[in-house]
Amino acid sequence: NAGVMQNPRHLVRRRGQEARLRCSPMKGHSHVYWYRQLPEEGLKFMVYLQKENIIDESGMPKERFSAEFPKEGPSILRIQQVVRGDSAAYFCASSPVRVNSPLHFGNGTRLTVT
Amino acid sequence: AQTVTQSQPEMSVQEAETVTLSCTYDTSESDYYLFWYKQPPSRQMILVIRQEAYKQQNATENRFSVNFQKAAKSFSLKISDSQLGDAAMYFCAYRSQTRSGGGADGLTFGKGTHLIIQP
Repeated sequence: NAGVMQNPRHLVRRRGQEARLRCSPMKGHSHVYWYRQLPEEGLKFMVYLQKENIIDESGMPKERFSAEFPKEGPSILRIQQVVRGDSAAYFCASSPVRVNSPLHFGNGTRLTVT
Repeated sequence: AQTVTQSQPEMSVQEAETVTLSCTYDTSESDYYLFWYKQPPSRQMILVIRQEAYKQQNATENRFSVNFQKAAKSFSLKISDSQLGDAAMYFCAYRSQTRSGGGADGLTFGKGTHLIIQP
């Protein structure tokens, strides 16, 4: 039973380029969460999605960031026109139902903007 | 909004000894969940233990146990018989039981405690 799969593991982008981070939830999980971890910090909530729906995007910057979880395929976190401050580890987590199930995390994608 | 505070940036313990990591949180809710996650250098987030706020009994998982003090809003993690493999960052996290937006559907994390195990 594969866990939450994130790819790529490491991503290097130059300023102004686009970054696409992918997350495949655990089998049977329909809830996906994205978190960002800055150096020496805990994880900060960004967005919560179900299939084809964004439920809560209150933690995601209004500009340049977007997320989707299509009916088929992985969830995508997209960062347009990346800046140095976007450099961080981005984690995806999934759960089968909301609230009373623990979140299972992927290994994260380390984004470095040069 | 809920906040989670871990006041110990770093803790060190001798192998086989016991160590306690502290965590306090602020909330106006009565029903919620609390978690401890471990993050080794591999960066993977591993669930260590969880506690439902309505349960008075402290959760225990093998060498890991918690001291949950609801009135004091305190949720400390005790690691007994520390092993070298316990070395990691430990994050305390809060999750609301009721949907209220503002990130309440996800977890609110503390800044973490770096645990060092000395052989």
